[in-house]
Amino acid sequence: SQQGEEDPQALSIQEGENATMNCSYKTSINNLQWYRQNSGRGLVHLILIRSNEREKHSGRLRVTLDTSKKSSSLLITASRAADTASYFCATEGGGADGLTFGKGTHLIIQP
Amino acid sequence: DAGVIQSPRHEVTEMGQEVTLRCKPISGHDYLFWYRQTMMRGLELLIYFNNNVPIDDSGMPEDRFSAKMPNASFSTLKIQPSEPRDSAVYFCASRGNSDEQYFGPGTRLTVT
Repeated sequence: SQQGEEDPQALSIQEGENATMNCSYKTSINNLQWYRQNSGRGLVHLILIRSNEREKHSGRLRVTLDTSKKSSSLLITASRAADTASYFCATEGGGADGLTFGKGTHLIIQP
Repeated sequence: DAGVIQSPRHEVTEMGQEVTLRCKPISGHDYLFWYRQTMMRGLELLIYFNNNVPIDDSGMPEDRFSAKMPNASFSTLKIQPSEPRDSAVYFCASRGNSDEQYFGPGTRLTVT
């Protein structure tokens, strides 16, 4: 079943601009992860934030987590054409090790 | 490191045929997951193993689906008999000591 819900479903911005994607979930979690999927490819792990963390950075990526609102955001700064992909949030929790994915945000970076 | 290996990459079969998807996890990883991705339902967890033992198969849609992990370096997902609604991309992922999962390239299954 889907837990995370990303918004927007699609986002088109100019190269160099920042891209922000949001994710909401329903149940308690141990951690929340963001993955990227290029067309026709597998998923690549980007960043993980634990339930006791509020913010995390990795290169041009910044993730926030608000457990009181059951929401997370992914910010990609200084976007590049190569960032064009679908981005998924996924939650792990409830005693299970499998991930529950949202439906994803399709990001298009216009050169 | 070769990453997670899946075969075949593409499979086209007729309704009623048996389909077997294969996965080799990253060496040393003790968790293996099978996911399915469709336009309608997105990414769904089907089943996962820990140390070759199935832990949670609640996501397996029907008895037509079965998965095995005979050893730490190999797993199969079998559909018998296959139906057109099984058409999807099937991903295998493995995980080691961290919570990060490493995905294979997927198998695109088309059932006609």
